[in-house]
Amino acid sequence: DGGITQSPKYLFRKEGQNVTLSCEQNLNHDAMYWYRQDPGQGLRLIYYSQIVNDFQKGDIAEGYSVSREKKESFPLTVTSAQKNPTAFYLCASSMIYGENYEQYFGPGTRLTVT
Amino acid sequence: AQTVTQSQPEMSVQEAETVTLSCTYDTSESNYYLFWYKQPPSRQMILVIRQEAYKQQNATENRFSVNFQKAAKSFSLKISDSQLGDTAMYFCAHLPNAGNMLTFGGGTRLMVKP
Repeated sequence: DGGITQSPKYLFRKEGQNVTLSCEQNLNHDAMYWYRQDPGQGLRLIYYSQIVNDFQKGDIAEGYSVSREKKESFPLTVTSAQKNPTAFYLCASSMIYGENYEQYFGPGTRLTVT
Repeated sequence: AQTVTQSQPEMSVQEAETVTLSCTYDTSESNYYLFWYKQPPSRQMILVIRQEAYKQQNATENRFSVNFQKAAKSFSLKISDSQLGDTAMYFCAHLPNAGNMLTFGGGTRLMVKP
């Protein structure tokens, strides 16, 4: 099955610890994205990448870091500098050439920091 | 910067009836893409329908159709013959071009009542 996987589904961490969220896609998509969703709100972009070894900050990049060493993988690290990390995190991917540019989403990771 | 506004935080509809969800957006681009996503209680983001701004014809996907008014920057979603499974959060989103960030509205919570 082609799709986007995120792991783990639920993640608990103590304040002050860095944590890395996994995102893998086998859709052969060029671009990948990380969004944050807070309760009752829409999604906000953290980082995105259109090509391996390159990525751009979104609206709320402070306190987060990413890497794109492989086309299929785009892990997100939530650092201790992120002041309010508890949220639902969604990874997405899309083509950047052709006719279909819609973004497809993974199932998400719920991060709770106490 | 693009903004997307959904003015109806919550709506309800009787099963088998028709409901329309509103969305307005602001953009300086002449060509762009618009989407409606559905987020059921599982929190998986599911693409419902897409519209390319250069196409005058309104998009339709089975029971879902849009009313795209480019001059008014309006993009409403009509759900016909509502089903219980349509109960979800619905997000309107704007994409300026391929591989770029999606800007989401705040969402409309739709409840379909039996």
